[in-house]
Amino acid sequence: KAGVTQTPRYLIKTRGQQVTLSCSPISGHRSVSWYQQTPGQGLQFLFEYFSETQRNKGNFPGRFSGRQFSNSRSEMNVSTLELGDSALYLCASSSVTFSGRLETQYFGPGTRLLVL
Amino acid sequence: GENVEQHPSTLSVQEGDSAVIKCTYSDSASNYFPWYKQELGKRPQLIIDIRSNVGEKKDQRIAVTLNKTAKHFSLHITETQPEDSAVYFCAAGSNDYKLSFGAGTTVTVRA
Repeated sequence: KAGVTQTPRYLIKTRGQQVTLSCSPISGHRSVSWYQQTPGQGLQFLFEYFSETQRNKGNFPGRFSGRQFSNSRSEMNVSTLELGDSALYLCASSSVTFSGRLETQYFGPGTRLLVL
Repeated sequence: GENVEQHPSTLSVQEGDSAVIKCTYSDSASNYFPWYKQELGKRPQLIIDIRSNVGEKKDQRIAVTLNKTAKHFSLHITETQPEDSAVYFCAAGSNDYKLSFGAGTTVTVRA
């Protein structure tokens, strides 16, 4: 199976702009999670989507939003960009069991966002 | 919410020696504990995981132990090799569809 893909891979924006990042999960995976990775901070959970519904959200301001489409592809949007939003944004997909337990998350290559 | 602490932040070992990374978590509801390896410029990749109904799991040179009472889990790498050099992340999750990650450990294996 093809792995998780993310587009674009690199992005340069200026403060105040907005950005949309895209994630295509592994075929058959219906859960997509998004993370922000910055040096020394590890991976910070942004949100998780399943069947077009956000099931959990991390502690990020409302400028960060996301959505999922019927084909499980997901997008995240950051509005009014700030310098501190510069980071690697990773998405991960996983299969879902009927019991609801967490399954292995497979990560995409990430989108590196630089805000100037 | 869940808080995962990971130690040490950096670890340098001689090739052939063992490496141990420790993590603690705060939420007693956490029941899934994966470990990811991230090489420079690459995506994180799962190397091993453990669920709360198991105390220890081993896969070749890698093992993970879990102490639910103390809320800590550890990664053990034996007979380290240069290709083990990477950043390792622990994580904890429960049935709320969220994984909380530690800050990472940079492991350097000296030849």
